[in-house]
Amino acid sequence: GEDVEQSLFLSVREGDSSVINCTYTDSSSTYLYWYKQEPGAGLQLLTYIFSNMDMKQDQRLTVLLNKKDKHLSLRIADTQTGDSAIYFCAYEVTFGIGTKLQVIP
Amino acid sequence: DSGVTQTPKHLITATGQRVTLRCSPRSGDLSVYWYQQSLDQGLQFLIQYYNGEERAKGNILERFSAQQFPDLHSELNLSSLELGDSALYFCASSPTGGDNSPLHFGNGTRLTVT
Repeated sequence: GEDVEQSLFLSVREGDSSVINCTYTDSSSTYLYWYKQEPGAGLQLLTYIFSNMDMKQDQRLTVLLNKKDKHLSLRIADTQTGDSAIYFCAYEVTFGIGTKLQVIP
Repeated sequence: DSGVTQTPKHLITATGQRVTLRCSPRSGDLSVYWYQQSLDQGLQFLIQYYNGEERAKGNILERFSAQQFPDLHSELNLSSLELGDSALYFCASSPTGGDNSPLHFGNGTRLTVT
């Protein structure tokens, strides 16, 4: 069935880059999404990529899509303490388990 | 503020009981989704409605049911509650229900079953 896999935890130092990875099973979805969940809150759309793109850049965020390997990644440049949250990869109604990003000052 | 409203914010109840969670979608959104978030299972898709009709079903237990009303608000009913049903329940909405529009999430209802 449809599935999305992510690592559970990532720890980085403030100012470094963070890379969160995601793999997904067969999908004909037009878009793939990254959502962010801060403590005590719901999920918010962070960014997305159209399935016929390889890369999308949005300020400090870079999304890379490798359709052949069914691999999606989110890079956050110059990571700040405010970026500490859980990040979810998603397509259609399916979400990954979420990667908890811890930013060390 | 996503525009999606969920009530109540917190709910504490006993095993065997029944509860109803309510969701009002963003203005103009026709599709509503329900998710369950627990520590070990992540975000599990339960069910989707579009304009009052069930559109997709995920890992929803038979003890759980949902509906979307003519005014587009939705309710998730959980019955014969078990300890393992303790979780955060999220509602989300989107304009069309297709994969080309992202979901807008409410802040969730935290259910504790004792």
